[in-house]
Amino acid sequence: GEDVEQSLFLSVREGDSSVINCTYTDSSSTYLYWYKQEPGAGLQLLTYIFSNMDMKQDQRLTVLLNKKDKHLSLRIADTQTGDSAIYFCAESESGGSYIPTFGRGTSLIVHP
Amino acid sequence: EADIYQTPRYLVIGTGKKITLECSQTMGHDKMYWYQQDPGMELHLIHYSYGVNSTEKGDLSSESTVSRIRTEHFPLTLESARPSHTSQYLCASSRERGTDTQYFGPGTRLTVL
Repeated sequence: GEDVEQSLFLSVREGDSSVINCTYTDSSSTYLYWYKQEPGAGLQLLTYIFSNMDMKQDQRLTVLLNKKDKHLSLRIADTQTGDSAIYFCAESESGGSYIPTFGRGTSLIVHP
Repeated sequence: EADIYQTPRYLVIGTGKKITLECSQTMGHDKMYWYQQDPGMELHLIHYSYGVNSTEKGDLSSESTVSRIRTEHFPLTLESARPSHTSQYLCASSRERGTDTQYFGPGTRLTVL
């Protein structure tokens, strides 16, 4: 079946850039997502990218997609302590019956 | 802002009790999901629904059951709770068409003693 892989932990210093990486196996993926989960809360969509795009930027967030290598990354510029959370990569196909597949989540720790 | 709600937020119960975790959304979404989340973060899909009267089992075997009698409501029931059911339960919904973005509720933290 489809698989989405992420590294489990990332530690950065406040003010630095964070890069969270994700790889997926499903070549039919149409949408790729990044979700954020803060402690004690559900997941919240940060951004998504269509599979026919290479890059998407939204304020401090930059998503890069290498479709050939099936590699997705999320870059957070000027990382703040409030960015400390778990970040989930997910993929989905078009069509109403598809169920998105999530990675295991990357715990981002931002220290002063 | 997502309009999806879960109750209770926290529940501590004894072994053998029957419990129902509630999930409601006001967005008119067709698809709804239940996930079990490990303390180590990973999400496991336990049930999902494409719409009214549709329910399917997910990837993780679960002793829970769900029902979808109304579009906005997707409750999850454990007939006899056990300590192994202790976990975080997350409900989500999405439109059938479009980007399939999932909107998550805040979760229910269940502890079975």
